[in-house]
Formats: sequence, structure tokens, C-alpha cells
Amino acid sequence: GENVEQHPSTLSVQEGDSAVIKCTYSDSASNYFPWYKQELGKGPQLIIDIRSNVGEKKDQRIAVTLNKTAKHFSLHITETQPEDSAVYFCAASWDGGFKTIFGAGTRLFVKA
Amino acid sequence: NAGVTQTPKFQVLKTGQSMTLQCAQDMNHEYMSWYRQDPGMGLRLIHYSVGAGITDQGEVPNGYNVSRSTTEDFPLRLLSAAPSQTSVYFCASSGRGVGETQYFGPGTRLLVL
Repeated sequence: GENVEQHPSTLSVQEGDSAVIKCTYSDSASNYFPWYKQELGKGPQLIIDIRSNVGEKKDQRIAVTLNKTAKHFSLHITETQPEDSAVYFCAASWDGGFKTIFGAGTRLFVKA
Repeated sequence: NAGVTQTPKFQVLKTGQSMTLQCAQDMNHEYMSWYRQDPGMGLRLIHYSVGAGITDQGEVPNGYNVSRSTTEDFPLRLLSAAPSQTSVYFCASSGRGVGETQYFGPGTRLLVL
């Protein structure tokens, strides 16, 4: 079955620095790759996503890149702020979008 | 819109007890899913539904039952709770098709003793 690996499991950066989280997926049928942010005590919330026919997408300080050949996709956060501290999950989806497999998560700490 | 709501927020069960976790959405979404979240393992899909009357198994369905009699509601039943089912459970909903945003509820924290 589909498997999504996410690295690193923990990431600590200084405020203003960039943070990069990387994921790989196994099933070439995956065609949609969302990223979620989960704050303490809350459910995950979508922050950005990318479809398999696009190589890069940017939304203000957040960008996602996709390499279909290598089955890699990454989340880039620039000019990090303390409020970016949270757990981030990557995911891969297929079969019309209702089957989603999540990575194990990355706990990001942004130090002021 | 309330979005996705879940009840209860927290529950303690004894081994062997049964219970139902409630999930409701008011966005008229066709797709609904149940996930469990365990430390270091991300979210794992338990069951999902693509519409009223249609359900299917996810990655970890054993010990759980679901039904979908209406578009709005998607309850998750634990028939005989086990300590291995101690987890945080999230319900999610989305519209049909690839790229539709999946909205998550606030979660139910379950402890099985």
C-alpha cells in the first residue's frame, strides 16, 4: 500500500530563518499532496497543497515543491515566526481524493 | 457554519466496554473519514465514506464500525474497547474529488483502561 515518509521528526530554527520539511511517497498513483499544520489540542488544518501536474506552489511565506520522478515533495517556510511553531504533516492522496495517507509529522520549534 | 463537530471531547473506558464517537458536519460534504492519531505515527485512516449509505475500510479498521445514514453524520463505534485503542480520534470531511480541502474536527481523546 501507499507509504509516506517524513523528515525530520523535530526541527528547531531561529526566528527569521527558513525551515524545510521533506516527504517521500511510494505509490505513483498519488496525485494530490496537501500539507497540514496542527496546533496543540486542535485538529490539523490545511495550509497549502499541490497537484501532481504542478512542480511548485507558493503562498506568501510558504511554498511546496514536488518532484514526481523522485516521488519527493517538500514544504518551505521562510522568515519563520514563533507562531509557526506547531506539528506539520505531509500527505499523499489518490482515488479521487478520499484516500489520504499521512506522514508521521514534524514538530517545528521557532525560537524567538 | 460550525464546520466539523465531534463529541465527546474526552472519554475514559474500561476494557470491553463499547461506545460511539459522534461526528457531524454542516458543509454538505460527501466525503467523511475517521483517523486515529498516535505519537510518532501521524494520522491513520480507520474508515471512510463517500456518501450516505457507502462506507469502506482504511488502513486500521479492526475493532471499529461505521455507518452513514445521512450526509451530515458519521459515527464511529468501538464494539469492545481495548487498551490499544487509546488514542486521539479525528473526524474529517471534504467535497468530492481531488484537491478538495479536508476539514478536521477538534478531536476526541480516548483512554481505555
